[in-house]
Amino acid sequence: AQSVAQPEDQVNVAEGNPLTVKCTYSVSGNPYLFWYVQYPNRGLQFLLKYITGDNLVKGSYGFEAEFNKSQTSFHLKKPSALVSDSALYFCAVRDSAGAGSYQLTFGKGTKLSVIP
Amino acid sequence: GAGVSQTPSNKVTEKGKYVELRCDPISGHTALYWYRQSLGQGPEFLIYFQGTGAADDSGLPNDRFFAVRPEGSVSTLKIQRTERGDSAVYLCASSSDRGPYNEQFFGPGTRLTVL
Repeated sequence: AQSVAQPEDQVNVAEGNPLTVKCTYSVSGNPYLFWYVQYPNRGLQFLLKYITGDNLVKGSYGFEAEFNKSQTSFHLKKPSALVSDSALYFCAVRDSAGAGSYQLTFGKGTKLSVIP
Repeated sequence: GAGVSQTPSNKVTEKGKYVELRCDPISGHTALYWYRQSLGQGPEFLIYFQGTGAADDSGLPNDRFFAVRPEGSVSTLKIQRTERGDSAVYLCASSSDRGPYNEQFFGPGTRLTVL
């Protein structure tokens, strides 16, 4: 079975400071990893994904994430936070093969608050 | 282009009633997914369609839940004899094919409230 853990329910960061939202995962095969963002009363928006290759992936709105196989982590990062980044962030995983390969498994989400 | 659309955006019903939730995926997307998001939780997988057929319905919680996609485009999630525990936001997503590396594009969701 596949699973995702987001250990922080909430992350607070000052505007202009770097931000990190943590994610660890567990899969049977190789992981396909995704980050989504959810604004109030809106659907999930895709930010970035890791499939293979370079461990550092870049996505929308200046976000990036680093895949670490040995630590089974895929932390989301941004060098300089904006107030408009305040939202709910979800990490998700799909297994490369097997029964779970059709399903996205999400973490519980981390609420990011960027303080002006 | 148009994204995934879902109707209604909100649905309030009474315990024991039947409801239908509709999803219109991005044009040309062959894969369609339903998820359920309870308050304070991440979305949970319900069912996956590839074309007209349900390729994986292992996430449906019980036989009160059923989904169809008769023409390989629009899908309807049907819930019979609704219970208060069914209250949640039901999300629909689509992707261009079933490859696990393809990102899914989500609709705004239908908020179901069972009184």
